[in-house]
Amino acid sequence: EAGVAQSPRYKIIEKRQSVAFWCNPISGHATLYWYQQILGQGPKLLIQFQNNGVVDDSQLPKDRFSAERLKGVDSTLKIQPAKLEDSAVYLCASSSLAGRGVHEQFFGPGTRLTVL
Amino acid sequence: GQQLNQSPQSMFIQEGEDVSMNCTSSSIFNTWLWYKQDPGEGPVLLIALYKAGELTSNGRLTAQFGITRKDSFLNISASIPSDVGIYFCAGPGTYKYIFGTGTRLKVLA
Repeated sequence: EAGVAQSPRYKIIEKRQSVAFWCNPISGHATLYWYQQILGQGPKLLIQFQNNGVVDDSQLPKDRFSAERLKGVDSTLKIQPAKLEDSAVYLCASSSLAGRGVHEQFFGPGTRLTVL
Repeated sequence: GQQLNQSPQSMFIQEGEDVSMNCTSSSIFNTWLWYKQDPGEGPVLLIALYKAGELTSNGRLTAQFGITRKDSFLNISASIPSDVGIYFCAGPGTYKYIFGTGTRLKVLA
């Protein structure tokens, strides 16, 4: 079974530029999560999708961050414009809707963003 | 807001030693999960706990769901160099999924 795919793995941009990250979850997983992980901290949930609907986006800075999952499969996370404090690893995870699996998340390798 | 506090923050141990770490919350959690993160990778699920008092093992790892439902414990027996990494507890909070602060484990050969 293929894991969660993310691209790119690394991205360096200057502040005020735009950037987009892509995630393809495990096949059949209805729930998709985007996390921000700042160095030395645990992942912080930015947005959670179930199929193509948003379950929670309370911690998403909506003035600059946006995310979509149009067909209920892969997803993109965009930052526009980027700030220095957005430097972090952006992790995508997915989980199934079946029984206890709803809580068991599988993570991709992440995208390390550096904003200069 | 809800938080998961982990202790210790970091620890150095000798290869072969047993390791214990814990995770505490000010509010009740109905599910506890333990993940390990290696450098440059995403977290990997180690153990999931669903019932207060539950004790679950995965190889050399054993985790327990505290009976108060406000804490959880992870033990690693006979540590080996590949146990190095950051261990996170996590769970579905009232409004959103929460990760702990992490315990960084370093194993001295």
